[in-house]
Amino acid sequence: SQQGEEDPQALSIQEGENATMNCSYKTSINNLQWYRQNSGRGLVHLILIRSNEREKHSGRLRVTLDTSKKSSSLLITASRAADTASYFCATTSGSRLTFGEGTQLTVNP
Amino acid sequence: GAGVSQSPSNKVTEKGKDVELRCDPISGHTALYWYRQSLGQGLEFLIYFQGNSAPDKSGLPSDRFSAERTGGSVSTLTIQRTQQEDSAVYLCASSPVLLNYEQYFGPGTRLTVT
Repeated sequence: SQQGEEDPQALSIQEGENATMNCSYKTSINNLQWYRQNSGRGLVHLILIRSNEREKHSGRLRVTLDTSKKSSSLLITASRAADTASYFCATTSGSRLTFGEGTQLTVNP
Repeated sequence: GAGVSQSPSNKVTEKGKDVELRCDPISGHTALYWYRQSLGQGLEFLIYFQGNSAPDKSGLPSDRFSAERTGGSVSTLTIQRTQQEDSAVYLCASSPVLLNYEQYFGPGTRLTVT
C-alpha cells in the first residue's frame, strides 16, 4: 500500500488563487519530499523537508510538516496556468522512497 | 550537465516478447532507482542500486522482471514474456546520496504491450 496519500485527488482553481495539497503517511520518516509531474513523464523535485523541520519555503512554495499528525501540506501561492501538473509527496523511511498517488492540479487562466 | 536519460522513449511490443529498457544516470550518482507508473496512478517502486551493494529487488512484481547496473553507471531493466498488464511508464531516477537528497528523474519509457 502507498505510504503517502494525497488529498484532494484533483483540484481546479483560477489563476492567481492559492492551491493547497495535503499528504498523510503512516510510518515514521527521515524526510518528506514533494515532486511535480507534467504529462505523465519524469518527475521534478520541488522541495524536501526533514523530519525535524516544521516549515520550509521555496519561491511560491510553502511546505509544512506535522510529524505528530503524520501529515504535510504543500501550498502554491499566486498560482499560474503553468503550475498545472500532478503533485506527489514522497516519504523516506529506512531504505526506500515511497510515493503517494498524487494530486492533479489544474489552474485555469 | 546532462540529466538522466532513458531509451527508448516509447516501446510497443507484442505480448510474450522480451523488452529491455535503458537508463543512463547522472554521472557520479551512486544510487539508481526504477519505478513503474500506470495511467493516472502513483509511482510503484521496482528496484534500486546503491554503489557496489546488492540491489534491493523487493519491488519487482514477478520473476519476469530483472535489472542490472554495469560498472556502477548504466542500468537495464528487462521484462521477459511481456504481458498486457506490464503496459506502463517506466521511470528511472538517480541520486547522489541514498535517500537523503532529491532524486533526479529521467523522462521515462512508455511501454505498450499489445
